[in-house]
Formats: sequence, structure tokens, C-alpha cells
Amino acid sequence: QVQLQESGPGLVKPSQTLSLTCTVSGVSISSDSYYWSWIRQPAGKGLEWIGRIYNSGSTNYIPSLKSRVTISVDTSKNQFSLKLSSVTAADTAVYYCATLYCTRTSCYIRSWGQGTLVTVSS
Amino acid sequence: QSALTQPRSVSGSPGQSVTISCAGTSSDVGGYNFVSWYQQHPGKVPKLMIYDVTKRPSGVPDRFSGSKSGNTASLTISGLQAEDEADYYCCSYAGSNTNWVFGGGTKLTVL
Repeated sequence: QVQLQESGPGLVKPSQTLSLTCTVSGVSISSDSYYWSWIRQPAGKGLEWIGRIYNSGSTNYIPSLKSRVTISVDTSKNQFSLKLSSVTAADTAVYYCATLYCTRTSCYIRSWGQGTLVTVSS
Repeated sequence: QSALTQPRSVSGSPGQSVTISCAGTSSDVGGYNFVSWYQQHPGKVPKLMIYDVTKRPSGVPDRFSGSKSGNTASLTISGLQAEDEADYYCCSYAGSNTNWVFGGGTKLTVL
């Protein structure tokens, strides 16, 4: 069973870079069919897809955040990370790491981390 | 504004059925059979209820079912129970550029 756990600062100052790490257990981050993803949810609002990375290093980001987002993988630690630069109060949200499981005929979010609240404030 | 359109709220009495719609376009819901539904109770992590439009994960009651017609997907919950009261989100693959999009969420109230 895949388990995910987010870690990182809960408070980030405006204009700085938000950095989060997701530690994966139960499966190798290099496994085929798994795409490692970040999703966020502002308080009282809906879910927003941020982006994802495959074990090859191939990434996809939501167009509205593409200029500020970087997702990377550390296979030696079985972790993947999110960096979001130039943050504002609008980036305050619960950030979830998640894993997509995709084959040629099936694709869905199989597992979620517990989520971590990141507040952007001075 | 979310990429997929869901009603903000629906309600039903115990034992009744409710259907939550998820309207998209031919670039997402209508173009792929990768629509999934997630249930989220307050303060909790989303839980997968339906994937690949109609498939139900192990452990999810068969009261939950999914379907799709054209650019609109639907989640139907039959035999409503109090514990079904939650927010429900649809999600669809939207191609290699946008990748994945969510609906704005629907609050289900069990009266």
C-alpha cells in the first residue's frame, strides 16, 4: 500500500519560495505507472491540480502556475518535492502530495498524503 | 473558476437517490474515460469513490455509481445514508498540456 507524507515549513513570507517534500513508502518512486503529483486546496475552496512528475523526470504543470512551479524527484530518498516561487497570500492552502496510477486504459489518483497547511504571511 | 462545473449543493433524504453532475468539454470529460470522483469529509483527505468513469474501488459501497454522457459525467448515490454527507469532487484528464482538472465541488446534505 502506497503511503505519502508531506513535510516542510507551514509559514512562508510573501515573495519567497514555498518548498515541500513528499516521502513515499510502500512503492519505489521509480516504479512504472506511478506519477507523483501535487494538489492544493485553499480553505473552504475546491481542489486544484498543480502538477506531476514521472520517474523519467518528465513534468507537467497547470498552465496558470507553470512559470512559478518546479516539481522534482530524489530517487535515492524515495521522495519528490514541490517548489513554488514568488508566493502571495493567494497561495495559502493545504498542499497534498498524491500519486496517480496510470496505465494505457486506466488513470486515477490512487493515494493521498495527509496534507499540510502552508500559510503565506509576513 | 474551476475547469469542470458541478452544482454547488445537492440534498436528499435517507434512502433516496441523488445525482451529481460534472460538466466539462470535449477536451476533458468528453475526450477521455479518465473521470474520477472523490468524497471529502470536513478536515479529511479526499477518498476515491469512482475511477475511470464507472469503476468502483474495493471497499466502496455499490450504492455509488458513475456514468458519462458526452461532456458530462455523473455520480449517483442511491440509498442515501447520513455518512454520505460530504463534499464530492470530480476530476478528469485534460490532455498533455493541462493534464488534470477538478470540478468546483458539490456539498451533499442528507436531510
